[in-house]
Amino acid sequence: QVQLVQSGAEVKKPGASVKVSCKASGYSFTSKYMHWVRQAPGQGLEYMGIISPRDGSTTYTQNLRGRVSMTRDTSTSTVYMELSSLTSEDTAMYYCARDLDGSGRYFDYWGQGTLVTVSS
Amino acid sequence: DIQMTQSPSSLSASVGDRVTITCRASQSISSFLNWYQQKPGKAPKFLIYTVSTLQSGVPSRFSGSRSGTDFTLTISNVQPEDSATYYCQQSYSSPLTFGGGTKVEIK
Repeated sequence: QVQLVQSGAEVKKPGASVKVSCKASGYSFTSKYMHWVRQAPGQGLEYMGIISPRDGSTTYTQNLRGRVSMTRDTSTSTVYMELSSLTSEDTAMYYCARDLDGSGRYFDYWGQGTLVTVSS
Repeated sequence: DIQMTQSPSSLSASVGDRVTITCRASQSISSFLNWYQQKPGKAPKFLIYTVSTLQSGVPSRFSGSRSGTDFTLTISNVQPEDSATYYCQQSYSSPLTFGGGTKVEIK
């Protein structure tokens, strides 16, 4: 069965960077795009961007461009999301989510989430 | 960016009721409208895509429809396990955007 298992919670100081991992299993890793979505405490869902595990190509949402980087390791079927220059506004639950059908439009399986807390 | 506006922000229903949630797009998104269900402390769950196609395993009491740029999620015969927050999401253009969510409480 499809599983996306994310790394554990992180606490970071303002200005630091964080790198969250998402290990996929139960399907062909390179056949499906992976998305990242975040959710601030008590708030709605915010789309961050997408990575192709096949060739590593990425597209990021404009308001995070320059601070976010998504990479993958095909040998371990893992995608990574790194966010730099953290502020308190980056405190959120971060989710990886698999693309349904290669269209880049829908998220059919989600990781359990990784809580990132930014605090001095 | 395309703005997605959901209403109401919350509602309360009794078991067996019919619940309707509306999502309005700020511009035409064709039929690229999807719905997710999120329970407290859990990741969102994929319910419906392209307006009305149910994801595998989703109960048939969930349905979706469209009228222009207005989209509706309907839960017929609502059950206690349907207590959750529901989000619409447009996948017509980048960046993909979500509505603000509708919290459904079952009395």
